[in-house]
This record gives sequence, structure tokens and C-alpha cells, in this order.
Amino acid sequence: DAKTTQPPSMDCAEGRAANLPCNHSTISGNEYVYWYRQIHSQGPQYIIHGLKNNETNEMASLIITEDRKSSTLILPHATLRDTAVYYCIVRVQTSGSRLTFGEGTQLTVNP
Amino acid sequence: DAGVIQSPRHEVTEMGQEVTLRCKPISGHNSLFWYRQTMMRGLELLIYFNNNVPIDDSGMPEDRFSAKMPNASFSTLKIQPSEPRDSAVYFCASKDLGSTEAFFGQGTRLTVV
Repeated sequence: DAKTTQPPSMDCAEGRAANLPCNHSTISGNEYVYWYRQIHSQGPQYIIHGLKNNETNEMASLIITEDRKSSTLILPHATLRDTAVYYCIVRVQTSGSRLTFGEGTQLTVNP
Repeated sequence: DAGVIQSPRHEVTEMGQEVTLRCKPISGHNSLFWYRQTMMRGLELLIYFNNNVPIDDSGMPEDRFSAKMPNASFSTLKIQPSEPRDSAVYFCASKDLGSTEAFFGQGTRLTVV
């Protein structure tokens, strides 16, 4: 799996958009970008994933650059409950492949 | 479905004792993962199973650790003998092989004194 680089921490004001960057410059053509988050004392939670097109669901949007070397997770209206560690993971979407977590970004949403 | 169920939620044991952590995956899921999380090392993948068969156990720290999945609805992670450095939160996760989303349990917080 390709290596990812994320800032260790970010702050965001409640109600504003939170934009979390991830660099994955060695990503292969068959590797997807996944985002998970972990709220304190809970297990990680899946957010979204994509290959090359931008994706949106009820939780967030994922913007992947055209060269696929970086991506941004967008929480459009951050709330205090979005305070968590956010993990960007690159992996091949084959059935039963491993899911490896890096250090992630600690997002703190401030009132 | 109640989600991935782990037991116990908390475990305190003395060094040298055997510890068994348990996991019940979501019904119908056929991939199961065991992770360990510490402040120093973050979330580490220990082992994962597909269709009850261990696929990759390269993350298992040493021979003191063993994991089994006797059937599709149950898995155990055993540490024998336990050491203080094994203190961590252990997570179990499951997914359907054809799905992209893995579901995590609430974890077991293990303290070895």
C-alpha cells in the first residue's frame, strides 16, 4: 500500500468547513483513497472512499487531484462532534485486502 | 445488527497471566481484523482472517500472541504470558469481502500490571 502523509493536527471553527489534506504521491493506478475517523475512546469509523472522481456522501466530500497524488476530505459544516483523528488510507480494493492506518490528523472543532 | 461485539471492555491482569480477548463479527461478514492501539505506535494491524482462515499475521508481535477463528461468528486473541508492554486498546473489525467498509468494535482496554 502506498504511503500517505497528513498534518498531525488542525483546528476548525464550529459551523465552518473543515478541509483535511492528504498526500499520497506514490499511489498506484489500482489503489483507492479511503478516509476513516476515530472519535476518542471509540473504534475507527468509515467515512468515504474514491478512486479518481470526487465523491460525496452524507458525511463528507472527497476531492482527489487529477494526478491522484493528493486528496482533501471536506466536512462542509463541522460540529463539535466531528472532533476526532482522521485517517487517510491508500489501498487496493481487492476483496479481503489489509487496512493499514497511519498517524492521521487530529481535528479539533472549536466553539 | 448490534455491530461488532468485543468482550471484555476492560481487562486488568497481572504480568504472566493468560489473557483472552473475544470478538463477535457482524453476521454475514467474512473478513475479520485484530488491531492494537497505543499512544506510541498508533493503530497496528495484528492479524486478519478471510473466511475464517488467517491471511496475514505479520503484525503479531511475538509468539506470546495467538489468534483463532473457529467459526464465522467468533474469534479470539490470546496473550500468554502477558507483559506490561502489552497494555493497549485492542480492536476487532469485520467486513464483507465484497464491501469497502470495515466496522469496528468498541475495543478492549487491556492493562497488564
